[in-house]
Amino acid sequence: GENVEQHPSTLSVQEGDSAVIKCTYSDSASNYFPWYKQELGKGPQLIIDIRSNVGEKKDQRIAVTLNKTAKHFSLHITETQPEDSAVYFCAAPNFNKFYFGSGTKLNVKP
Amino acid sequence: DTEVTQTPKHLVMGMTNKKSLKCEQHMGHRAMYWYKQKAKKPPELMFVYSYEKLSINESVPSRFSPECPNSSLLNLHLHALQPEDSALYLCASSQYEQLLTKRTDTQYFGPGTRLTVL
Repeated sequence: GENVEQHPSTLSVQEGDSAVIKCTYSDSASNYFPWYKQELGKGPQLIIDIRSNVGEKKDQRIAVTLNKTAKHFSLHITETQPEDSAVYFCAAPNFNKFYFGSGTKLNVKP
Repeated sequence: DTEVTQTPKHLVMGMTNKKSLKCEQHMGHRAMYWYKQKAKKPPELMFVYSYEKLSINESVPSRFSPECPNSSLLNLHLHALQPEDSALYLCASSQYEQLLTKRTDTQYFGPGTRLTVL
């Protein structure tokens, strides 16, 4: 099956700074890469995703980049706000089986 | 609307009890999932239903019994659970049955049921 590694496990930034979370995957056949945000006591919420025919995708302060050759993809959050504090998971599915990274706890300090 | 609802939000049960978790979606999705999530860990897949048929069982103990009464509903029946089964149980749905279309579709998660087994 797919092996997904996610770094860092924790990330603290000052409000207004940028945050970057990186994931690597092993299966070159993977072609869809979602990012989920999970707040305490809630279910994961999709925040952005990218398919393998695209190198970068942006949605306001959030962007995802994909390097298929190197088999890694990254989440970029600019102008971070305290409400961005949460755990973020990447995933690299094999059809309907999602292989999740271990998660990154982001703490945005006001 | 990308809402998946789950009931109850919290559940406390003894090891001899029988209880059920419920999940509902009205997005017309034909694939539904149960995940288990322990604290500070990613979700772990338990079951996948495609077109109301069980397509994946990730070697889950028989004390967990899934059921898909129709395309909008997914249940998880619980019986004789152990304290180590305490976790957040998440339901998710996606549009297509990917094994047929060879396309991975977005999974939308519900808020989860926090289960405590005493």
